[in-house]
Amino acid sequence: DGGITQSPKYLFRKEGQNVTLSCEQNLNHDAMYWYRQDPGQGLRLIYYSQIVNDFQKGDIAEGYSVSREKKESFPLTVTSAQKNPTAFYLCASSISVTGELFFGEGSRLTVL
Amino acid sequence: SQKIEQNSEALNIQEGKTATLTCNYTNYSPAYLQWYRQDPGRGPVFLLLIRENEKEKRKERLKVTFDTTLKQSLFHITASQPADSATYLCALDPWSGYSTLTFGKGTMLLVSP
Repeated sequence: DGGITQSPKYLFRKEGQNVTLSCEQNLNHDAMYWYRQDPGQGLRLIYYSQIVNDFQKGDIAEGYSVSREKKESFPLTVTSAQKNPTAFYLCASSISVTGELFFGEGSRLTVL
Repeated sequence: SQKIEQNSEALNIQEGKTATLTCNYTNYSPAYLQWYRQDPGRGPVFLLLIRENEKEKRKERLKVTFDTTLKQSLFHITASQPADSATYLCALDPWSGYSTLTFGKGTMLLVSP
């Protein structure tokens, strides 16, 4: 079955540690995205990539980094520079930047 | 300023009734608008897309309207069921098809038996 797989589903880290969230898709989509969702907030775009080896900052990129070495994979690193990293992180993909989004099941990061 | 507004209060309705959710936007010129459903702790799921030149779109019990003059989209679920209980998000492309989606905060729908 085609889809997007995010891992881990739950992650606990100490303050000051970098963490990497995995996102893999087998939909053959060119575009991939990372969103952050906080209680009572809409989805906010962190980074997106329209093609391999290229990515753009979204609205809240500070404290995050990404890579897009393969079409199928778009990992997100939450660095120690991110001031409020505790959140629900969602990865998505689409055929193009103007298409409908297919989301993964999310990764919930808690920083202790 | 640019805003997408969805009712922050939950909408409570009885099973069998029609649920109507509202999405208003200001200072955007979207080429299309999308609606998603999100269950607690899950990723959103795409439901419908409506383009600026379409007044209405239907899919089974779902209907979406798009009024670019009023800058508003209405999302209807007819013959609602308890399984329709979820948060519904609207999203639009801020700059007429050349950018990523911007999402509203969503409206929670609760359908009671």
